[in-house]
Amino acid sequence: KQEVTQIPAALSVPEGENLVLNCSFTDSAIYNLQWFRQDPGKGLTSLLLIQSSQREQTSGRLNASLDKSSGRSTLYIAASQPGDSATYLCAVMRGTSGSRLTFGEGTQLTVNP
Amino acid sequence: EPEVTQTPSHQVTQMGQEVILRCVPISNHLYFYWYRQILGQKVEFLVSFYNNEISEKSEIFDDQFSVERPDGSNFTLKIRSTKLEDSAMYFCASKGNPETQYFGPGTRLLVL
Repeated sequence: KQEVTQIPAALSVPEGENLVLNCSFTDSAIYNLQWFRQDPGKGLTSLLLIQSSQREQTSGRLNASLDKSSGRSTLYIAASQPGDSATYLCAVMRGTSGSRLTFGEGTQLTVNP
Repeated sequence: EPEVTQTPSHQVTQMGQEVILRCVPISNHLYFYWYRQILGQKVEFLVSFYNNEISEKSEIFDDQFSVERPDGSNFTLKIRSTKLEDSAMYFCASKGNPETQYFGPGTRLLVL
């Protein structure tokens, strides 16, 4: 059974700092990995998707990497801003297209002005 | 930009009552999903739907749950006899090609 773990559970940083969020998964037979943002009481906003054959994806100040063999992904946020404050969720899709996503518990990020 | 929509945003019901949660997926998407998130817990997969049938379901998705695509646009989740532990945020998601799953804003269900 796939298990997804995210470290740290919570992170508080000053504005402007670069930061890294970590995600690990137990079964490396994944199809892809998706990073989401969740604001309190709201839905999930997709940030980046990395296919299992890819090593990284970038969107603006966000960069996600994937090391499938070691079961790890990182989300790098450059020059953090207060508006980045949210919970960041990592989710993996197992072996085939269209399969379920298995989520981690998330990292709650607070960026202080 | 196309988005997944869900109604209602909030639903309060009595234990034992039936509820129907509604979703309108993104129009050209072919895969549809329901997930739920109990307060303070992980987002959990319930069921996926493709080609007018259930393609995968979790152990949570027992006989009290059902899904339907009654027309070309709506996708519904029915909970036949609600229990206190069904209280959660229910998310609908859809996927086209490529692989990104897009989530709706959720329906907060409270069972009293």
